[in-house]
Amino acid sequence: NAGVMQNPRHLVRRRGQEARLRCSPMKGHSHVYWYRQLPEEGLKFMVYLQKENIIDESGMPKERFSAEFPKEGPSILRIQQVVRGDSAAYFCASSKGANYGYTFGSGTRLTVV
Amino acid sequence: DQQVKQNSPSLSVQEGRISILNCDYTNSMFDYFLWYKKYPAEGPTFLISISSIKDKNEDGRFTVFLNKSAKHLSLHIVPSQPGDSAVYFCAASEDAGGTSYGKLTFGQGTILTVHP
Repeated sequence: NAGVMQNPRHLVRRRGQEARLRCSPMKGHSHVYWYRQLPEEGLKFMVYLQKENIIDESGMPKERFSAEFPKEGPSILRIQQVVRGDSAAYFCASSKGANYGYTFGSGTRLTVV
Repeated sequence: DQQVKQNSPSLSVQEGRISILNCDYTNSMFDYFLWYKKYPAEGPTFLISISSIKDKNEDGRFTVFLNKSAKHLSLHIVPSQPGDSAVYFCAASEDAGGTSYGKLTFGQGTILTVHP
């Protein structure tokens, strides 16, 4: 039973490009959470999704960031027109539901040059 | 506004001794608390949790204590082992029910080093 799969593990983008981060939840998990960890900081909540629904996006920056979790396929965190301040580790977690524990993926490390 | 704070960036302990990691919070609506362990280049892994209706939860070498009046929790690891060396994050949830893993608010982390 594979864990939460995130790809790519490392992503380098030039300023102004788009970054797409993918997350495949554990089998049987229909809830996905995205967190961001800036250097020397803890993880910050970004968004909570269920299949085809955004439940809580209170941590998402107002511009350039979007997330989806389609009926089929992985969850996608999309960052348009990346800036240097977007450089961070982005972690995805999945669960069976809001009252169940999370399992985190290994993260995608985004570097904007 | 840092609602969950881990004021010690690092802690160094001798193998076999007790490690005590501390965490303070400011949001009185938090009712569920968790500790995660993280190795470099990996995601956090769940260690132990506690509901606000309890003041102690134990799992093997790991014990979490909660002092609601002081808005303080601590993780005790005894005996400490070199394999425990990692970053430890405290996290809190304010969802109702006592067992919700909804949105989590994390502290900044404490780097624990256990020396052989």
